[in-house]
Amino acid sequence: DTAVSQTPKYLVTQMGNDKSIKCEQNLGHDTMYWYKQDSKKFLKIMFSYNNKELIINETVPNRFSPKSPDKAHLNLHINSLELGDSAVYFCASSQVLAGNPDTQYFGPGTRLTVL
Amino acid sequence: RKEVEQDPGPFNVPEGATVAFNCTYSNSASQSFFWYRQDCRKEPKLLMSVYSSGNEDGRFTAQLNRASQYISLLIRDSKLSDSATYLCVVNEGGKLIFGQGTELSVKP
Repeated sequence: DTAVSQTPKYLVTQMGNDKSIKCEQNLGHDTMYWYKQDSKKFLKIMFSYNNKELIINETVPNRFSPKSPDKAHLNLHINSLELGDSAVYFCASSQVLAGNPDTQYFGPGTRLTVL
Repeated sequence: RKEVEQDPGPFNVPEGATVAFNCTYSNSASQSFFWYRQDCRKEPKLLMSVYSSGNEDGRFTAQLNRASQYISLLIRDSKLSDSATYLCVVNEGGKLIFGQGTELSVKP
């Protein structure tokens, strides 16, 4: 039983292409997140959705567009990929209790390489 | 100054050793604190929450000093399976801020 799943696990693509990463959670959580982990291993939040509504939007280029069709899914679409987008992208989910995130459950990550 | 700062290591220790990791955070209004563990090429997983009174879970002890804005993790009797990167995590206004992580390698 996979709690948080992401597809694809690996993505290799050319600069300038558009790609999507999908994420699904079966934990019944109300909040989902996208994180980026760069080559220096820093894990930084990009977006957060609570019940399909965007609640956190960090300083991320507008080439990145999250979409949440329902509270169990949060997809990430990236337009005009650049070399600097190469990283591991993690999806996560949690319950939010009194405005604070509880334990975050992460997906296995999508390793994106832009050539 | 980074929001959450950790010594990246690596810490190379023999099995059975006691090892301590430190972490400092810059925002005094931070509300809650955690240690996550990340194995190589895997996703982070919660190791333990950190409470003001300090808390222990088996061989792992976490401490929080709000006055000094400092968090620690102590691992006693290290096992080979403890080899991983340990991430210090701080909740700032509902957003989790991750440290760079401290790499631990436990050798036989």
